Amino acid sequence: GAGVSQSPSNKVTEKGKDVELRCDPISGHTALYWYRQSLGQGLEFLIYFQGNSAPDKSGLPSDRFSAERTGGSVSTLTIQRTQQEDSAVYLCASSLQSYNSPLHFGNGTRLTVT
Amino acid sequence: DAKTTQPTSMDCAEGRAANLPCNHSTISGNEYVYWYRQIHSQGPQYIIHGLKNNETNEMASLIITEDRKSSTLILPHATLRDTAVYYCIVREGNTDKLIFGTGTRLQVFP
Repeated sequence: GAGVSQSPSNKVTEKGKDVELRCDPISGHTALYWYRQSLGQGLEFLIYFQGNSAPDKSGLPSDRFSAERTGGSVSTLTIQRTQQEDSAVYLCASSLQSYNSPLHFGNGTRLTVT
Repeated sequence: DAKTTQPTSMDCAEGRAANLPCNHSTISGNEYVYWYRQIHSQGPQYIIHGLKNNETNEMASLIITEDRKSSTLILPHATLRDTAVYYCIVREGNTDKLIFGTGTRLQVFP
């Protein structure tokens, strides 16, 4: 079946512009995660959604970052007034249920801020 | 902070078993050990997870010590396609976050 889909796969933007990154999770998966991976680094947790519960935003690096999940499915990660240090691969993952279920990752959106 | 410690890199000859160690000395009783791998330019791929007992699936085996303070991921017959960064993760308490460390870069050579 279809996996986690992220779009766009690549995004180049100018410093100061806003960007939106999209994630389509696997159908039926109630949990959705966003991670960021800078060049040569490990994955950095950003935010987590589970059903109708309030999202866990503890990993968002600044108030320029926000995310929504509409209808319990598609999620959008928004970065306002992008900075060069925001350049990274943004990865989305979903799982069937939260605790003790494997996460399934998309291939990410590579964001380059010039 | 990640709760696991892994070697930075390892080599393995093609066809041989790759044994990737992980220390998680502060693991709690209800925390699972997960293994993922990331091949260049792709998202992480789930491999296996376990709580206390050893686990095996079509990809790998997971051996967890009796005190649960360490574990080993075993790829029984490594291939060149197994070259990747392997992450050992302890699922954080009763939350749902997976906190990734820096992983082990496994290089399988011919």
